[in-house]
Amino acid sequence: DSGVTQTPKHLITATGQRVTLRCSPRSGDLSVYWYQQSLDQGLQFLIQYYNGEERAKGNILERFSAQQFPDLHSELNLSSLELGDSALYFCASSVLGKEAGELFFGEGSRLTVL
Amino acid sequence: GQNIDQPTEMTATEGAIVQINCTYQTSGFNGLFWYQQHAGEAPTFLSYNVLDGLEEKGRFSSFLSRSKGYSYLLLKELQMKDSASYLCAVREVPVTYNTDKLIFGTGTRLQVFP
Repeated sequence: DSGVTQTPKHLITATGQRVTLRCSPRSGDLSVYWYQQSLDQGLQFLIQYYNGEERAKGNILERFSAQQFPDLHSELNLSSLELGDSALYFCASSVLGKEAGELFFGEGSRLTVL
Repeated sequence: GQNIDQPTEMTATEGAIVQINCTYQTSGFNGLFWYQQHAGEAPTFLSYNVLDGLEEKGRFSSFLSRSKGYSYLLLKELQMKDSASYLCAVREVPVTYNTDKLIFGTGTRLQVFP
């Protein structure tokens, strides 16, 4: 157990819909990262928040948005869903400032768009 | 640009040794990470290299050559439970940038046979 909590674990929805994925980082971690993992593809970095502010941005579509709240949990909003958005969405957190600053991953949210 | 290459699949026999290679070309370099990911599960941290040389941790070792943009993960005394994907990842910027964002390769799926 990494200490990172993601909900829901599974989500099935239709094209055109909107969903929200939620992540609670490890206790004490201020930084949250979102990654997308499609079938047979690597982890694609989407976005990072640090203490409520956006810190780094990757290949995140305009239809996707995220935020980090004062209690440090984060939400990833996916809208106008397409079939290609079906993937595992991972949240990770880290302790910044540590030399070997590994990321701790949650169990992921599996999104299926039909 | 960013490019991290790993073999797609490898097979090995229980009790044997396997070496998984990773080459990278990134805009910056501040550490190379190896993660293990069982199918449908969260990636878990295995090792970290920032200086050239070999880091050993039990049955697993990781090597880095920064001048060659090359790393490998060595798994000894293979066990059936080592069947998983192994992800090579690079941290491009120093930790002082307030990000531990990692760029991942597509992963190497290792199958261990009895």
